[in-house]
Amino acid sequence: AQSVTQLDSQVPVFEEAPVELRCNYSSSVSVYLFWYVQYPNQGLQLLLKYLSGSTLVESINGFEAEFNKSQTSFHLRKPSVHISDTAEYFCAVSDWSGAGSYQLTFGKGTKLSVIP
Amino acid sequence: ETGVTQSPTHLIKTRGQQVTLRCSSQSGHNTVSWYQQALGQGPQFIFQYYREEENGRGNFPPRFSGLRFPNYSSELNVNALELDDSALYLCASSQGAVNYEQYFGPGTRLTVT
Repeated sequence: AQSVTQLDSQVPVFEEAPVELRCNYSSSVSVYLFWYVQYPNQGLQLLLKYLSGSTLVESINGFEAEFNKSQTSFHLRKPSVHISDTAEYFCAVSDWSGAGSYQLTFGKGTKLSVIP
Repeated sequence: ETGVTQSPTHLIKTRGQQVTLRCSSQSGHNTVSWYQQALGQGPQFIFQYYREEENGRGNFPPRFSGLRFPNYSSELNVNALELDDSALYLCASSQGAVNYEQYFGPGTRLTVT
């Protein structure tokens, strides 16, 4: 079974500064990788995904993540954060469970706090 | 807006009781998965249904069970509630059997006292 490690539980950053949220996963033959965002008292929203092709994927609100197979990482970056980016971010990996389904395994999350 | 709805929003139950949580997904989303998110943790996979059949299960005891109906609604049932069952329960749906892209509902917050 896959495991996902998010190295930082909390990341405070000043507004307009860059940020990187780190994610590592245990290796597998093929995986699909995701970043989800969770705002307070809400469910999860898909931020971006890597399924295949280009290793650099981007979201519509300025986030990007790079799939690095050799380092089994999928770090999330944004060059300039806004107050509205304050939320909890979850890295997830999906792989074949062997029982007829793909299963999402999540990390424990990183709380991003943007300081005005 | 993911098109996935869950009810109720909040629920308080007593240890030993039974609870049913409900989820409604988009038409055409044949796969639904349920997750448990304890406070301060990431979601953990409970089980998954393709159409009306369970086709994947995480490390949860049999007192966690589910049902899926042809109208794209589903239920999560938990018997003999324990204090550790207190969590946010999330429902996620996706198209087809290859469900690597999932859309989550807002969740049901269950408190067991």
